[in-house]
Amino acid sequence: SYELTQPPSVSVSPGQTARITCSGDALPKQYAYWYQQKPGQAPVLVIYKDTERPSGIPERFSGSSSGTTVTLTISGVQAEDEADYYCQSADSSGTIVFGTGTKVTVL
Amino acid sequence: EVQVLESGGGLEQPGGSQRLSCAASGFTFSSYAMSWVRQAPGKGLEWVSSISGSGNSTYYADSVRGRFTISRDNSKNTLYLQMNSLRVDDTAEYYCARGDFCSSGSCYVLGRMDVWGQGTTVTVSS
Repeated sequence: SYELTQPPSVSVSPGQTARITCSGDALPKQYAYWYQQKPGQAPVLVIYKDTERPSGIPERFSGSSSGTTVTLTISGVQAEDEADYYCQSADSSGTIVFGTGTKVTVL
Repeated sequence: EVQVLESGGGLEQPGGSQRLSCAASGFTFSSYAMSWVRQAPGKGLEWVSSISGSGNSTYYADSVRGRFTISRDNSKNTLYLQMNSLRVDDTAEYYCARGDFCSSGSCYVLGRMDVWGQGTTVTVSS
């Protein structure tokens, strides 16, 4: 089955830049989406179609794509950005897949 | 306000059935794809099923295909998930999520999920 691979954890100091990668063979052909989930809360969409930011999401969140890897970048990390982050995409057989998830810790 | 609200979770025995509902408000429900996503305790997100705005197209994860059925009643602005032959590993928080806008003749069901409910807990245990 299709998999999207993320690093389990990323640690970053306040004000620095956090980069979270998501790798999958179908990513060159399918859009990626990114979600933020804080403990006890529902996920929130932070990036769609690889690079687009929904209204209300801070500009410090950005997305990029290169080959089989997409990246979520959080510039100028704030304490409130500490959360789990998941990428999402689809494969050619009509299946949605979520990445393995990355826990971002703000030091 | 655009929102979705899940209901119907609870404790069920293995092999049993349960129906989840998701009431939508604040948007034209029939114009949007909808999905169910679950999260087992301490685990990551797992996509369960998606449906087009009209209800004519449905998609399922391999783990639930043949046991779960997604449907919608656009006259009631409500999404459903009928879960049969429940297993212990179906225990999870179940989220309803709004998908992409479906324009006339085109509905991409496997895209963004931009509005999420707070979830309903399903526990399968003897």
